[in-house]
Amino acid sequence: QQQVKQSPQSLIVQKGGISIINCAYENTAFDYFPWYQQFPGKGPALLIAIRPDVSEKKEGRFTISFNKSAKQFSLHIMDSQPGDSATYFCAASSMEYGNKLVFGAGTILRVKS
Amino acid sequence: AAGVIQSPRHLIKEKRETATLKCYPIPRHDTVYWYQQGPGQDPQFLISFYEKMQSDKGSIPDRFSAQQFSDYHSELNMSSLELGDSALYFCASSIRTRTDTQYFGPGTRLTVL
Repeated sequence: QQQVKQSPQSLIVQKGGISIINCAYENTAFDYFPWYQQFPGKGPALLIAIRPDVSEKKEGRFTISFNKSAKQFSLHIMDSQPGDSATYFCAASSMEYGNKLVFGAGTILRVKS
Repeated sequence: AAGVIQSPRHLIKEKRETATLKCYPIPRHDTVYWYQQGPGQDPQFLISFYEKMQSDKGSIPDRFSAQQFSDYHSELNMSSLELGDSALYFCASSIRTRTDTQYFGPGTRLTVL
């Protein structure tokens, strides 16, 4: 059973649009929530991360929104570009569990030019 | 900036053979994590090391073993290979004081025939 549930499975967005990917978790011990971007045949690259004491974090075109009470967090990609086309994974970890990353199932994003 | 190095990048083995995957963490990183990613799946945690000691273990088969050496590089040894072991194997490294922030290598693609 997926400990971190991610949706949608795939997403098509027009160039310049906003891409939104959502994740939900159950284990309240999780205390770190990163997003990774992965291109085919490459390793996951850390995009942005957030901790539960913050409700939003922005880095360039990427924003994480975090809702602790709902146990949900989301990634927003503003002004989406064709180069953003990749698979995005949300993840969660806990110091209590050795900080091993538990990943969502991934979202395949395609940005149409 | 230096990144995580993994070798080999591609490996083809026959069933029942043995494989050794190597990981060289980012300089000054002392913690190593191994993940397995099947086709179209999210990465799954296998095992982690800190200061040459195993710190956590996930769903790693008994046929697999790993260790971390004094220079912090790590090796994943896989014996009696099965067709189902075909996957991408990623190593991630971090600093002990920030083990939540993991940086992934490019991966080793293992194909078992």
